[in-house]
Amino acid sequence: RKEVEQDPGPFNVPEGATVAFNCTYSNSASQSFFWYRQDCRKEPKLLMSVYSSGNEDGRFTAQLNRASQYISLLIRDSKLSDSATYLCVVLSNTGNQFYFGTGTSLTVIP
Amino acid sequence: DGGITQSPKYLFRKEGQNVTLSCEQNLNHDAMYWYRQDPGQGLRLIYYSQIVNDFQKGDIAEGYSVSREKKESFPLTVTSAQKNPTAFYLCASSKGVTSGRGNEQFFGPGTRLTVL
Repeated sequence: RKEVEQDPGPFNVPEGATVAFNCTYSNSASQSFFWYRQDCRKEPKLLMSVYSSGNEDGRFTAQLNRASQYISLLIRDSKLSDSATYLCVVLSNTGNQFYFGTGTSLTVIP
Repeated sequence: DGGITQSPKYLFRKEGQNVTLSCEQNLNHDAMYWYRQDPGQGLRLIYYSQIVNDFQKGDIAEGYSVSREKKESFPLTVTSAQKNPTAFYLCASSKGVTSGRGNEQFFGPGTRLTVL
């Protein structure tokens, strides 16, 4: 079983739409959780960390459900510039390895 | 500017040659990592280091070697033993084994290696 699993998509949504991505992880003792964004042929960049109480950064909202072992990312009012691959990342319980999902592809259409 | 640098951006190598990819960080991070990404696939861990003069194998270490002689530097050598070395190589760093907030991982711009 993979450490982190994501729906690969692709998600094709119109501008202004709300879109949600989910991610599940296998190790209940995992320590920290993150969403990264990766543009084509570029390095992943940190979008936001995911805290137990849930957190919001502008149009982006991240939530963590430890009981069900899933993480979500909600993007409101999608922009063309949101088109990218979104990676779910989990830090192991030992704190020394990061586990990556394969990414969910998002295309925002004019 | 604080950050992670990788060089070169593009690298071409003949089969049978070893090649070393550079990774430097000035974030004062203890931990450094090397990943490989193939087209349409996720990141796979090659090696990681939590402290100077110590490193651990990741999931796909065969055909690769690393050193960590300085905190700022974590070079990766792709040896001729690596059967399929053409890929996008990403170096990353983080504060290291720590609990709570602030343990995010940051990436360099990557090196695209092509074996001819």
